[in-house]
Amino acid sequence: GQNIDQPTEMTATEGAIVQINCTYQTSGFNGLFWYQQHAGEAPTFLSYNVLDGLEEKGRFSSFLSRSKGYSYLLLKELQMKDSASYLCAVVDSNYQLIWGAGTKLIIKP
Amino acid sequence: TAGITQAPTSQILAAGRSMTLRCTQDMRHNAMYWYRQDLGLGLRLIHYSNTAGTTGKGEVPDGYSVSRANTDDFPLTLASAVPSQTSVYFCASSESGEGTTDTQYFGPGTRLTVL
Repeated sequence: GQNIDQPTEMTATEGAIVQINCTYQTSGFNGLFWYQQHAGEAPTFLSYNVLDGLEEKGRFSSFLSRSKGYSYLLLKELQMKDSASYLCAVVDSNYQLIWGAGTKLIIKP
Repeated sequence: TAGITQAPTSQILAAGRSMTLRCTQDMRHNAMYWYRQDLGLGLRLIHYSNTAGTTGKGEVPDGYSVSRANTDDFPLTLASAVPSQTSVYFCASSESGEGTTDTQYFGPGTRLTVL
């Protein structure tokens, strides 16, 4: 079967750095998305990786290793507004999105 | 630009009743999707449409139906609601559908409770 694994919850301190991991086992791979979802709101697009390596976008970076079936989202200079769930989703061989359950990130002052 | 709108925002429905969740996008995207989101689970695809006039089944289609009469609208109908359909429903769209990795953009969601 297809599976996306993320930690259920993480806690970090304002101003710090946090890394949210995602591992996947899917039938094929055509890219990996990260979305942010604040409580009670819609998921919003953060990043898309299809090649190995690090993609940096301001305070957020996303890394992919296809050989290891692994990605992480790195958030720097954490702000209180970064408290949200972070969803990892993989595009499989049928171009369907397979979603992880999400990681709830709690930022403490 | 509104993007994607959904209605209603929330609804309490008696089991056995029917209901249509509405979704409208103004981005002229070809593909649209309906997901449900339940605590502890990832988003699960219910139905999708790659272009107006076509629809397809996702991972959890039973008990739901959709239509795509035009580009902008993609309503989701529950013919006879059951308590297990209590969930948050998200509509999404992307520029292209089948065979692409286009980013999906989400509506604000409808919180449905079936009693």
